[in-house]
Amino acid sequence: GAGVSQTPSNKVTEKGKYVELRCDPISGHTALYWYRQSLGQGPEFLIYFQGTGAADDSGLPNDRFFAVRPEGSVSTLKIQRTERGDSAVYLCASSLAGPPNTEAFFGQGTRLTVV
Amino acid sequence: GDSVTQMEGPVTLSEEAFLTINCTYTATGYPSLFWYVQYPGEGLQLLLKATKADDKGSNKGFEATYRKETTSFHLEKGSVQVSDSAVYFCALTSPNAGNMLTFGGGTRLMVKP
Repeated sequence: GAGVSQTPSNKVTEKGKYVELRCDPISGHTALYWYRQSLGQGPEFLIYFQGTGAADDSGLPNDRFFAVRPEGSVSTLKIQRTERGDSAVYLCASSLAGPPNTEAFFGQGTRLTVV
Repeated sequence: GDSVTQMEGPVTLSEEAFLTINCTYTATGYPSLFWYVQYPGEGLQLLLKATKADDKGSNKGFEATYRKETTSFHLEKGSVQVSDSAVYFCALTSPNAGNMLTFGGGTRLMVKP
């Protein structure tokens, strides 16, 4: 596809369950980012991949959150033992490797609701 | 750490009115500054950017000037349209913090015909 694709678009899960959120970046983009956007707030950084490796995971809130990008393309954000406070829209973005001001392209997000 | 503060919304204007959405920032070094827009039902899109002091970013009639002395990047448009109704986010990237964006809280703009 032409843009960043995220699946599912909506996910409802019960408290304590495990969830996986998927991101397909734009082909050829080596940089990939995950952000979390709570209702009425701006997106907050979670983790940044350059290729297959996590270059910066300082935004992950705790060890229940983990993300992988095994082949340097698709990424999966994994949340264990979900809590109601994890409810938010999870955004993925990708960009070409390059200067810090390279444009990031965002997906439409996955809306996660923990009940 | 880095932070971005923007005026709270919603901002409600009539069509053809002048728009200003204020944005100020705190960052170490010399950040790049961005405005992103989120139209209803769509993902975040880059609207404009400026990478050094006194640069002016512009797109679709919107403008913002990077003011280092006031640490500001206010968004302006001379004549808004109903189709400009969206949520606008001011953001920055710092040279010492990779490519990650630090966002403000967003400002909802509603333009009435």
